Amino acid sequence: AQSVAQPEDQVNVAEGNPLTVKCTYSVSGNPYLFWYVQYPNRGLQFLLKYITGDNLVKGSYGFEAEFNKSQTSFHLKKPSALVSDSALYFCAVSPFFSGGYNKLIFGAGTRLAVHP
Amino acid sequence: EAQVTQNPRYLITVTGKKLTVTCSQNMNHEYMSWYRQDPGLGLRQIYYSMNVEVTDKGDVPEGYKVSRKEKRNFPLILESPSPNQTSLYFCASARGNSPLHFGNGTRLTVT
Repeated sequence: AQSVAQPEDQVNVAEGNPLTVKCTYSVSGNPYLFWYVQYPNRGLQFLLKYITGDNLVKGSYGFEAEFNKSQTSFHLKKPSALVSDSALYFCAVSPFFSGGYNKLIFGAGTRLAVHP
Repeated sequence: EAQVTQNPRYLITVTGKKLTVTCSQNMNHEYMSWYRQDPGLGLRQIYYSMNVEVTDKGDVPEGYKVSRKEKRNFPLILESPSPNQTSLYFCASARGNSPLHFGNGTRLTVT
């Protein structure tokens, strides 16, 4: 079965330290990979995506993600965390064969807490 | 401003009383979708639409209906709501390979 795993319910980081939010997936073929962020009482906002090309993808607000095909992972990273980065982060996968968005599979989400 | 608008933001209802959650987008997007968000489960797709008059089931369609009579609107209908449909609902839209644009959500409580 196709799935997306975010193994950590919560990640705690001190402001100024690097952060990593982990994501692994189990999807056949060459999927499209996404990260979204959700702030309180808001919908999800797009951060970045990987379709093909360079394994390191840069996105909004200084975030980047590294695609690792052999480990089927797409971890979200940021060199220096801000308190304002505190939010709920979702990894999502769209199986290539479906042609795009009609089967976007989300992980359970990871809550990032950045402490001053 | 480009946006996806859902109404209402909060809704409390009783079991069996039909309700509709509206969704409208002003970006001329072909693709629209409904998701429900539950703790520990992430977002699960209920229904989606690739264009006007074209709808299809997602992963959790039971107990829901949708229609797409106009490109901009994609209402979610619960004919006979039950407590297990208490959830946070999101509408989203997109064009081609562009990222999904999400509404701000509708928190539904069914008692």
